[in-house]
Amino acid sequence: AQSVAQPEDQVNVAEGNPLTVKCTYSVSGNPYLFWYVQYPNRGLQFLLKYITGDNLVKGSYGFEAEFNKSQTSFHLKKPSALVSDSALYFCAVRDKIYNQGGKLIFGQGTELSVKP
Amino acid sequence: DAGVTQSPTHLIKTRGQQVTLRCSPKSGHDTVSWYQQALGQGPQFIFQYYEEEERQRGNFPDRFSGHQFPNYSSELNVNALLLGDSALYLCASSLRQGLAKNIQYFGAGTRLSVL
Repeated sequence: AQSVAQPEDQVNVAEGNPLTVKCTYSVSGNPYLFWYVQYPNRGLQFLLKYITGDNLVKGSYGFEAEFNKSQTSFHLKKPSALVSDSALYFCAVRDKIYNQGGKLIFGQGTELSVKP
Repeated sequence: DAGVTQSPTHLIKTRGQQVTLRCSPKSGHDTVSWYQQALGQGPQFIFQYYEEEERQRGNFPDRFSGHQFPNYSSELNVNALLLGDSALYLCASSLRQGLAKNIQYFGAGTRLSVL
């Protein structure tokens, strides 16, 4: 069965410092990986995806993620954190049982707190 | 361009009642998926609709049912509500084909409280 794990419930970073939110995955074959962000009382906003190609994926709001096949990881990164980045971050993998569409399987989420 | 819209935003029901949640997909999208997000958890997949048929289903009981209309909008119905059904229900829309077919866009959700 496909799954993702986010080993940290919470990440604390000072504003201006680089941030990393970790994600590891377990899939058969090549993974389709995603990062979403959720602000309080809001739905999920798409940040970026990895389907194929370059291991470093650039997304919205200055975020990027590095796909590492040997370590089965897809960590979210940003060079300089903003207070407004404080939110709940979810890593997800797309179920590939079906050729099209396919449900997203989410991790438990990581709460990012950026302090001034 | 309107994104995914869900209604209502909040709902309070009592045990045993039935509820209907509604979703309008992003313009041009033909596939709708529903997720349940319990407090402090990641979203859990309920089911997905395409061409007015349920195409994929997660591990949810038959009390959870859905429908997709010809205009691609969708409803989620939950019968015989239990306290454990209290959660944020998220609708996501996507394209079945094309370069953007792998991206699901989410609405703001409906917060259901069962008392």
